[in-house]
Amino acid sequence: GAVVSQHPSWVICKSGTSVKIECRSLDFQATTMFWYRQFPKQSLMLMATSNEGSKATYEQGVEKDKFLINHASLTLSTLTVTSAHPEDSSFYICSARDRAVNQPQHFGDGTRLSIL
Amino acid sequence: GENVEQHPSTLSVQEGDSAVIKCTYSDSASNYFPWYKQELGKGPQLIIDIRSNVGEKKDQRIAVTLNKTAKHFSLHITETQPEDSAVYFCAASIFHQFYFGTGTSLTVIP
Repeated sequence: GAVVSQHPSWVICKSGTSVKIECRSLDFQATTMFWYRQFPKQSLMLMATSNEGSKATYEQGVEKDKFLINHASLTLSTLTVTSAHPEDSSFYICSARDRAVNQPQHFGDGTRLSIL
Repeated sequence: GENVEQHPSTLSVQEGDSAVIKCTYSDSASNYFPWYKQELGKGPQLIIDIRSNVGEKKDQRIAVTLNKTAKHFSLHITETQPEDSAVYFCAASIFHQFYFGTGTSLTVIP
C-alpha cells in the first residue's frame, strides 16, 4: 500500500531554534500534501495544504512566516517551524494524496516536537 | 463548507462484541468517505473507505455503510479484539479537500 515517511519522529530543542520536518511519499506521486497539528486527545487540525511547485495555502490563524512549507517535488514536502517556542510544542503530522481523483490521504507517523 | 460530526467520542466494548461509530456530513456534494485508525503516538492509518456510488463495503471484520439521503455513514467492527483499541476518525471529501470528524476513542475490554 501507499507509504508516507515522516522524519524526524521526535525532536527536542531549545527555544529559538528552527526545526525542519520532512514528509516523503515513497511509492506514489503526491501532487498535494497536507500538514496537520494534533493536540493530545484531539482531532487533526489542518494547518496548510501544499501543491507541488506552488505556494502553500494556509488555514486561518496559521502564521505563514512561522510555519514555512516547501513542496519542491512530487514526493517531498517540508515544514519548517521557525524560531520555535514552547507553545509550538505539539504532534505534527503530514499526509499525501495521490494525483488521481478520489484517492485517500495517506499519513506519516507524525513528529513529536518538544521545545524547551 | 463541509461539516462532519462524529459520535460517540468514546466507546468501550467487551472483547467479541461489535462496535459502531457514526458520522454525519452536511454537503451533499461530498463523494468520498475514508475511515482512519490512529494508535497512540502514530499517524492515522486508512482502514476502509467508501465512495458515494456504493451503499456498503466490507473488509473482514470491518464494514462501512453510507446513506446519501440522510447524509450519514457508519463504521462497524465485529468480533472486536483488544488490538482494535485506538482512535478512529471519519472523513468526508469534496473537491479534493478532506474534512475530518472529531474522533472516537475505542477501548476493547479483554
